[in-house]
Amino acid sequence: EAQVTQNPRYLITVTGKKLTVTCSQNMNHEYMSWYRQDPGLGLRQIYYSMNVEVTDKGDVPEGYKVSRKEKRNFPLILESPSPNQTSLYFCASSSTGVGKNIQYFGAGTRLSVL
Amino acid sequence: GESVGLHLPTLSVQEGDNSIINCAYSNSASDYFIWYKQESGKGPQFIIDIRSNMDKRQGQRVTVLLNKTVKHLSLQIAATQPGDSAVYFCAEDMKTSYDKVIFGPGTSLSVIP
Repeated sequence: EAQVTQNPRYLITVTGKKLTVTCSQNMNHEYMSWYRQDPGLGLRQIYYSMNVEVTDKGDVPEGYKVSRKEKRNFPLILESPSPNQTSLYFCASSSTGVGKNIQYFGAGTRLSVL
Repeated sequence: GESVGLHLPTLSVQEGDNSIINCAYSNSASDYFIWYKQESGKGPQFIIDIRSNMDKRQGQRVTVLLNKTVKHLSLQIAATQPGDSAVYFCAEDMKTSYDKVIFGPGTSLSVIP
């Protein structure tokens, strides 16, 4: 089954404790992206990657890091989480071919930073 | 600035009625638009898309209308069912070097049985 898998689904942590949210897709997609979703603000892009070893900032990259060492994986790293990073996070992937604009989303990771 | 927004943050409709969800966009250069549906506890899912060379596109029980003159997009759902209850997002392809997509804030659709 074609899917984007995020882990963990729920995470509670404390300020300053480094964490990683993993994302993996099995569709051989080149493009991957991380979004955060906050009430009334919709989905805002954090980082994206056009392919292996190619990453770039989205609209709200501060406080986040990403890496793309393999095509299927795109982890999101919070080196020193702060309470304003409490949010619902989504990983997405898409092809760069036909239908490239259609993104496939994971089920989300709800993060609470205390 | 460039933005994609929805006129109605919440919408309640009776089961069996038609639903209309609206979206405004501001980037005249955008030529591709997508609607996503997000059910509770899940990630957004693609519903339907439309390119700017079209005014209307139909899917199964859904129709998207595009009015480029006033930069307005709408999603129509026919014979709304309880399973249609969700948050609906419109998204706009910003025509940047990597086809950046901007999402609107979403409209919550509630279907009354």
